Amino acid sequence: GQNIDQPTEMTATEGAIVQINCTYQTSGFNGLFWYQQHAGEAPTFLSYNVLDGLEEKGRFSSFLSRSKGYSYLLLKELQMKDSASYLCAVRDSNYQLIWGAGTKLIIKP
Amino acid sequence: IAGITQAPTSQILAAGRRMTLRCTQDMRHNAMYWYRQDLGLGLRLIHYSNTAGTTGKGEVPDGYSVSRANTDDFPLTLASAVPSQTSVYFCASSISGGASDTQYFGPGTRLTVL
Repeated sequence: GQNIDQPTEMTATEGAIVQINCTYQTSGFNGLFWYQQHAGEAPTFLSYNVLDGLEEKGRFSSFLSRSKGYSYLLLKELQMKDSASYLCAVRDSNYQLIWGAGTKLIIKP
Repeated sequence: IAGITQAPTSQILAAGRRMTLRCTQDMRHNAMYWYRQDLGLGLRLIHYSNTAGTTGKGEVPDGYSVSRANTDDFPLTLASAVPSQTSVYFCASSISGGASDTQYFGPGTRLTVL
């Protein structure tokens, strides 16, 4: 079966750095996405990785290792508004997105 | 309209009733999707459409039907609602459904079936 694993919840301090991990086992791989979802709102796109390595976009970076079936989202200089759930999704061989359950990130002052 | 809209925002429905969730996008995206999101689970694909006039089944299609008469609209119908269909429903769209395609989500419909 297809599986995406993420930690259920993480806590970090305002101004710090946090790394949210995602491991996957899917039938085929056509890219990995990270989305942010604030409580009661729709998911919004953060990043896309299809090749191994690090993609940096402002305070957010995303890393991919296809051989290890592993990705992480790195958030720097955390702000209170970063409190949200972060969803990892993999596009499989049928070009459908398989979603993890999400990691709820709690930022404390 | 800018982006994707969904209606209604929320609904309480008696079991056995028929319900249509509406989704409209104005981005001229070819591909559209319906997901349900339940606590502790990832988003699960119900149905999708890669282009107007075509639809396909996702991971959890039973009890749901869709149609895609034009590019903009993609309604989801529950023919006879059951309590297990209580969920938050998100409609999404993307340019073409290709590998690097980003999906854009509507605000969601919170449905409760009693």
